Amino acid sequence: EAQVTQNPRYLITVTGKKLTVTCSQNMNHEYMSWYRQDPGLGLRQIYYSMNVEVTDKGDVPEGYKVSRKEKRNFPLILESPSPNQTSLYFCASSLGGFNTEAFFGQGTRLTVV
Amino acid sequence: QQQVKQSPQSLIVQKGGISIINCAYENTAFDYFPWYQQFPGKGPALLIAIRPDVSEKKEGRFTISFNKSAKQFSLHIMDSQPGDSATYFCAGAGSYQLTFGKGTKLSVIP
Repeated sequence: EAQVTQNPRYLITVTGKKLTVTCSQNMNHEYMSWYRQDPGLGLRQIYYSMNVEVTDKGDVPEGYKVSRKEKRNFPLILESPSPNQTSLYFCASSLGGFNTEAFFGQGTRLTVV
Repeated sequence: QQQVKQSPQSLIVQKGGISIINCAYENTAFDYFPWYQQFPGKGPALLIAIRPDVSEKKEGRFTISFNKSAKQFSLHIMDSQPGDSATYFCAGAGSYQLTFGKGTKLSVIP
């Protein structure tokens, strides 16, 4: 089954404790991206990647890091999480650019206390 | 920051009625205008999309109307059903950018 898989689905952590949210897709897609979803703000792009070793900032990159060492994986790293990073996070992939259908994961609900 | 403005924020429609959600964009470089549907606890999923070279696209009960000169587009859901109750996001996209509206929570009541 074609899918984007995120782990974990739920995470509660403390301020300053480094964490990684994993994202993997099995569709051989070139493009991958991370979004955060907050009430009243919709989905905002954090980082995106056009291919292996090629990444760029989205609209809200502060406090986040990404890497793309393999085509299928695109982890999101929070080196020193803060409470304002409490949010619902989605990973997405698409075959061509972002002007083609994006496939989203199930989401990761992160709480930073 | 290029925006996509979406309205209304929430919408209540009777079963069988027509649901209409509107969006306006600023970035004339966008060449793809999708609508995503999101159910609680799930990720968004593509519902229907349009390119700016056409003014309307219909898929079943769902229709996108697109007005390039006004930089506006809208989603029409005909014969709305309780199963359509979800949050809908419009978006504008180019090769390296996908910008979402803030979402509309649709409730279809029996």
